[in-house]
Amino acid sequence: SQQGEEDPQALSIQEGENATMNCSYKTSINNLQWYRQNSGRGLVHLILIRSNEREKHSGRLRVTLDTSKKSSSLLITASRAADTASYFCATRGAQKLVFGQGTRLTINP
Amino acid sequence: SAVISQKPSRDICQRGTSLTIQCQVDSQVTMMFWYRQQPGQSLTLIATANQGSEATYESGFVIDKFPISRPNLTFSTLTVSNMSPEDSSIYLCSVAGGDYNEQFFGPGTRLTVL
Repeated sequence: SQQGEEDPQALSIQEGENATMNCSYKTSINNLQWYRQNSGRGLVHLILIRSNEREKHSGRLRVTLDTSKKSSSLLITASRAADTASYFCATRGAQKLVFGQGTRLTINP
Repeated sequence: SAVISQKPSRDICQRGTSLTIQCQVDSQVTMMFWYRQQPGQSLTLIATANQGSEATYESGFVIDKFPISRPNLTFSTLTVSNMSPEDSSIYLCSVAGGDYNEQFFGPGTRLTVL
């Protein structure tokens, strides 16, 4: 069964705006990872945040983690048309990586 | 990060046949994982493949339907047996590495069963 719940399921914004996606999970984790998937292709690893970290940055990406609320957010700043994709959070417990349902992001020119 | 390749990239198969998907990694890894992504859905773990031992299957997946081989530390195969249209999915190979177990994915195999 899926551990993560992502919100919203779909998001449509104008190019240049910021996009925020949220992920909630149910059990304790070692880390949480975010991925991007373009048009049903392979997954691109975006960022990993460990359970003892609260925030992490990578280029235009900002990820936060609140273990007390069992939630994470992914912020994409200054969005571009090329950011149009599905974004998934995935949580790692002991060994397995379990995925959320994903957010479909559309950037309108 | 690991470079992972899969063959075939896509295939269209007839009901009742079997397809074997290959996964090659450019470095030695202990654990390899096979995931399924049904149309419009998220990823579900099928099994974990360790070299030298039987694969460990997740609930809802059985070895007779999804036999896995792991002959060495850089290669694995997943067979989808006796296929039905419900097996139409993207099948992805994955490996974990690094200090914090970042997990990387292959490009996927898009399977359509008629």
